[in-house]
Amino acid sequence: DVVLTQSPLSLPVTLGQPASISCKSSQSLLHSSGSTYLNWFQQRPGQSPRRLIYKVSKRDSGVPDRFSGSGSGTDFTLKISRVEAEDVGVYYCMQNTHWPPYTFGQGTSLEIK
Amino acid sequence: EVQLVESGGGVVQPGGSLSLSCAASGFTFSTYWMHWVRQAPGKGLVWVSRISSDGSGTSYADSVKGRFTISRDNARNTLFLQMDSLRAEDTAMYYCARDKNAEPYDSWGRGTLVTVSS
Repeated sequence: DVVLTQSPLSLPVTLGQPASISCKSSQSLLHSSGSTYLNWFQQRPGQSPRRLIYKVSKRDSGVPDRFSGSGSGTDFTLKISRVEAEDVGVYYCMQNTHWPPYTFGQGTSLEIK
Repeated sequence: EVQLVESGGGVVQPGGSLSLSCAASGFTFSTYWMHWVRQAPGKGLVWVSRISSDGSGTSYADSVKGRFTISRDNARNTLFLQMDSLRAEDTAMYYCARDKNAEPYDSWGRGTLVTVSS
């Protein structure tokens, strides 16, 4: 099974400052189709998860452009250019290149300093 | 508007059974793969099961294989999860989510809580 390792697990950030979350995969997420199926989700306190990014860097409709995804192979990053109060929550990476199973990272808890 | 509404959760004793449903609306249900994902209290997201658009293909996490059965009724736009031989470690919020063209989970339900306890 593919293991996704996120870091850091806790991320205190000052409002208006940038934030970055790493997601490292135990094997390459490049599919034979040529696509890389790495996604990012946000889960605000008490809410269901929400997809932010799919296929590494494609932002979902309605997601602010301060969120961006990048990476390739086994190393991926979610960046928030300027953190806002509404960004508080847990962020998960998830892969659907090698399945079953579909696997998630452990989650990174973003809080305001 | 896309809506996924889970139901059927509750408290059940270890070894018992429970059947979850997910009612879908606002999209062409029969063209989407569907998944169940769970989240134990205070823990992360874990994939449980997936079913193809016509119901012919299913997959399960090792932790539920042989105990859980995913199914769907495209005429009723409904996804199901039959859970048997429940264990304390199955206690979680269960979410249904859709998947198309390998772009999974763009919409989630609010979840239904399953508690396995004596």
